[in-house]
Amino acid sequence: TQLLEQSPQFLSIQEGENLTVYCNSSSVFSSLQWYRQEPGEGPVLLVTVVTGGEVKKLKRLTFQFGDARKDSSLHITAAQPGDTGLYLCATAGGTSYGKLTFGQGTILTVHP
Amino acid sequence: DTGVSQDPRHKITKRGQNVTFRCDPISEHNRLYWYRQTLGQGPEFLTYFQNEAQLEKSRLLSDRFSAERPKGSFSTLEIQRTEQGDSAMYLCASSLWGLAGTRGETQYFGPGTRLLVL
Repeated sequence: TQLLEQSPQFLSIQEGENLTVYCNSSSVFSSLQWYRQEPGEGPVLLVTVVTGGEVKKLKRLTFQFGDARKDSSLHITAAQPGDTGLYLCATAGGTSYGKLTFGQGTILTVHP
Repeated sequence: DTGVSQDPRHKITKRGQNVTFRCDPISEHNRLYWYRQTLGQGPEFLTYFQNEAQLEKSRLLSDRFSAERPKGSFSTLEIQRTEQGDSAMYLCASSLWGLAGTRGETQYFGPGTRLLVL
């Protein structure tokens, strides 16, 4: 089972600040997904990255896949209180199918 | 709403009791997954079905746990003789696998059932 390490585990920032969350593995990802989860709800898919070096943008969120496909990052510009939540990276491992392995998550709190 | 639904959303039970959770996947999704998530952690895989066949079970799934998907649509997850360590959020996800031309598989999660064992 591929292990994913996310950092930082906790992030508490003020509205308007920028932040970056990291997801790393010793193994190559076939693809990597980023989810956001609010308290009491299930994870919601934000993006899937597949190609090494790929960069995807979703409004103020920028997702990057490492060239070697062993790491990924999520950057949020000008964070807002509505960005508060648990951010999870996940992978199906050597394939792009089947059970997902998740990182332990980054709990983000954005203060007004 | 055509998303994944789970019932109940919350369940409080006493140690030793049996509980059953239900998951209704997105219509026509052929794969259904169960995950367990404890507070502050990412979800952990329990088991999954393709249509009505249970294809894989995690070692986390002790013999007190059983899951079914009898008609390839909804699924149930039963925990017998619950223990305090079973307290967690139980998440269900569904996906459409094998669609020609797609790359990878996207799993859509339900809102979860939060279980508290006293």
